[in-house]
Amino acid sequence: EDQVTQSPEALRLQEGESSSLNCSYTVSGLRGLFWYRQDPGKGPEFLFTLYSAGEEKEKERLKATLTKKESFLHITAPKPEDSATYLCAVQAPTGNQFYFGTGTSLTVIP
Amino acid sequence: DSGVTQTPKHLITATGQRVTLRCSPRSGDLSVYWYQQSLDQGLQFLIQYYNGEERAKGNILERFSAQQFPDLHSELNLSSLELGDSALYFCASSPRGEGNYGYTFGSGTRLTVV
Repeated sequence: EDQVTQSPEALRLQEGESSSLNCSYTVSGLRGLFWYRQDPGKGPEFLFTLYSAGEEKEKERLKATLTKKESFLHITAPKPEDSATYLCAVQAPTGNQFYFGTGTSLTVIP
Repeated sequence: DSGVTQTPKHLITATGQRVTLRCSPRSGDLSVYWYQQSLDQGLQFLIQYYNGEERAKGNILERFSAQQFPDLHSELNLSSLELGDSALYFCASSPRGEGNYGYTFGSGTRLTVV
């Protein structure tokens, strides 16, 4: 069964303390791996798409990487405004459906 | 504002009732996807419509149904509601039949069944 697992479930960081979030997946025929940010009471907001092992994408303090079995979202020198839930999703082979992980809730303390 | 509009934002109803959630996709997008987000299960795919036709089906209960109209807005109908149906329901849209570049999500409808 296709599955996406994110860890840790929750992460508290001091402002400026870098860390990484993990997304491991067991999907055959991966078409794409997506990272979203979700703020409380809002819909997920698209961050990155990764398509092949070794690929990296960056946006401000965030950097996403992909291997054959997992993806990492690295957060460098985070700020309080980076506090949110970060969701990972993999695109099914058909392309129509995404399997989402349950997310990592990140809190950055000033 | 993502461009995907969902109404209502909040809905409180009793068990056994029926409700309709509405979604207007981003301008130019032909596909609409419905997802359910509960605390313990994360985002679960329910159903996709592309240009008025059902394209893909996920873990959607028989008590739930959806449709997409000629103007491309979509409605999700939930009937015989149970306490366990309480969740956030998100609509997302994409330009074509496949979400190759990710979705654009709306802000969701929070359904509370009492």
